[in-house]
Amino acid sequence: DIVMTQTPLSLSVTPGQPASISCKSSQSLLHSDGKTYLYWYLQKPGQSPQLLIYEVSSRFSGVPDRFSGSGSGTDFTLKISRVEAEDVGVYYCMQGIHLPQTFGQGTKLEIK
Amino acid sequence: QVQLVQSGAEVKKPGASVKVSCKASGYTFTSYGISWVRQAPGQGLEWMGWISAYNGNTNYAQKLQGRVTMTTDTSTSTAYMELRSLRSDDTAVYYCARVARVGFDYWGQGTLVTVSS
Repeated sequence: DIVMTQTPLSLSVTPGQPASISCKSSQSLLHSDGKTYLYWYLQKPGQSPQLLIYEVSSRFSGVPDRFSGSGSGTDFTLKISRVEAEDVGVYYCMQGIHLPQTFGQGTKLEIK
Repeated sequence: QVQLVQSGAEVKKPGASVKVSCKASGYTFTSYGISWVRQAPGQGLEWMGWISAYNGNTNYAQKLQGRVTMTTDTSTSTAYMELRSLRSDDTAVYYCARVARVGFDYWGQGTLVTVSS
């Protein structure tokens, strides 16, 4: 199985400041079709996970543009340009190139 | 609007089975797959498997092979996940999620399954 490793596991950020989460996979997520199957999800407190980013850097419908994804191969990053109070929760990266699809351990974002 | 509405919480004894439903609305059910993801208390997300609502093809996580069955009823746009021989470490919130080209784009509200003697 592909192992997804996120750092840091927790993050405390002042509103208006940026935040960054790293995700590394144990194998390349680049498919022969040219796409890289790396996703980011946010699970707000008491809620179901919600899709933020697909294929490394494409924002899902309705996701604010302060969220951005980057990376290639095995190294990926989620950035929030200016954190807002509503961004609190646990962020997960997930790979979709090989079954079983696997998630990172999660990164808990809290507001200072 | 797309909605996935799951069945209510369950309490089961070790060794029993549970069947969780996920009723879809707001889209053509057979055009998308459904994945099931679970989350043990205070833990992360674990993919359990996937079913095509188009033809019923499935793929299960190896650790659950032989204990899990995913099915769909296209007449009611409902997906089901049955887990047998329940153990205490199966205690978790179980989510269904629609599988789209963009990933798991819509999720159910979750179903808490508690396994306790």
